Amino acid sequence: GAGVSQSPSNKVTEKGKDVELRCDPISGHTALYWYRQSLGQGLEFLIYFQGNSAPDKSGLPSDRFSAERTGGSVSTLTIQRTQQEDSAVYLCASSLEGRLNTEAFFGQGTRLTVV
Amino acid sequence: DAKTTQPTSMDCAEGRAANLPCNHSTISGNEYVYWYRQIHSQGPQYIIHGLKNNETNEMASLIITEDRKSSTLILPHATLRDTAVYYCIVMKRFGAGTRLTVKP
Repeated sequence: GAGVSQSPSNKVTEKGKDVELRCDPISGHTALYWYRQSLGQGLEFLIYFQGNSAPDKSGLPSDRFSAERTGGSVSTLTIQRTQQEDSAVYLCASSLEGRLNTEAFFGQGTRLTVV
Repeated sequence: DAKTTQPTSMDCAEGRAANLPCNHSTISGNEYVYWYRQIHSQGPQYIIHGLKNNETNEMASLIITEDRKSSTLILPHATLRDTAVYYCIVMKRFGAGTRLTVKP
């Protein structure tokens, strides 16, 4: 597809379980971003990948959160030992380059519900 | 560590200009200001971005103050479909957004 693809679109998990969320960026985009959006709230920055540079992890809320980007393309966000406050929509975006003057394209998100 | 401050909500009459302010007083010299909007339950949509000069595209205009500490997004002729939450972004951090309601 031409856009950013995220899977699954919805995920319900039990408290304490681990989850993996996947993001397929637009082909050729070297920059990839993860955000989360709690109900009725704005977007909270989580992590940013740019090419082979060390990722900017400054937004990860705890050590239960981690993300990888394999081969400079697909990214996986992992949440370990999920808690109810992790329930949110997790959004992924990609942009052509990590330069500061490029537009990011967002996926439709993964809605995570921790019960 | 919010980088931007925006009013929580604004109303605008259909056909009139909507002026959405954003404060970003801690912006550094080489950081761009981006504006995105989010229509209910959809992913954010890019609108415009700028560094120092005012910018205009088919969607909106962006006015950036000379000291770069604030900016204003202008939708010149708001329509009902422009009802959305508008986000001002600096350094990959979204503000809380302004909920713009365009009224007939």
